[in-house]
Amino acid sequence: DAGITQSPRHKVTETGTPVTLRCHQTENHRYMYWYRQDPGHGLRLIHYSYGVKDTDKGEVSDGYSVSRSKTEDFLLTLESATSSQTSVYFCAISESKGGPEKLFFGSGTQLSVL
Amino acid sequence: KNQVEQSPQSLIILEGKNCTLQCNYTVSPFSNLRWYKQDTGRGPVSLTIMTFSENTKSNGRYTATLDADTKQSSLHITASQLSDSASYICVVSANQAGTALIFGKGTTLSVSS
Repeated sequence: DAGITQSPRHKVTETGTPVTLRCHQTENHRYMYWYRQDPGHGLRLIHYSYGVKDTDKGEVSDGYSVSRSKTEDFLLTLESATSSQTSVYFCAISESKGGPEKLFFGSGTQLSVL
Repeated sequence: KNQVEQSPQSLIILEGKNCTLQCNYTVSPFSNLRWYKQDTGRGPVSLTIMTFSENTKSNGRYTATLDADTKQSSLHITASQLSDSASYICVVSANQAGTALIFGKGTTLSVSS
């Protein structure tokens, strides 16, 4: 998957606990994204980053925070997980080369909040 | 409201047959339209990206068409294979950045032998 590694691949946690998902890329792409995918919805953007320490909110950012201290790593944190955050989370990367940016996705993290 | 609607929701075809998936959108402004293939348990993989001025783009046995006037797109799969079984997602963007993508819910295609 285009040099993108998401970890963990599966996680089960309890309501109220903090959770951090990691996305690691080896492509040196500038832009990184976190999406969630739920039944009955298209993928929805949570947060994105356009460089080290530069992040911004997406469509469904409530309850999530992100950090990017290195080009290759983008972390998604659920400060206090809720059952509504049970989902499949995808990281994506892209690079601006003129024209539409092509996104490359990781294999996803299946998160279950009980 | 910006929306991307795909039809049918699911489709079953025999191996070797052709099929066409539909996408209607109301995204404005419009910059480009993308089709992705998502295998079960994997992330989406880009098949085609079309800008306003393009009305056809092919990637092997996959051919996407775009009618920007009617705001419709289709993905045609020729001589289907078992490996084509996947979800196909139509995505419309209001700009060239990756931050303005509106995803459809996808069409689930099953190819049987």
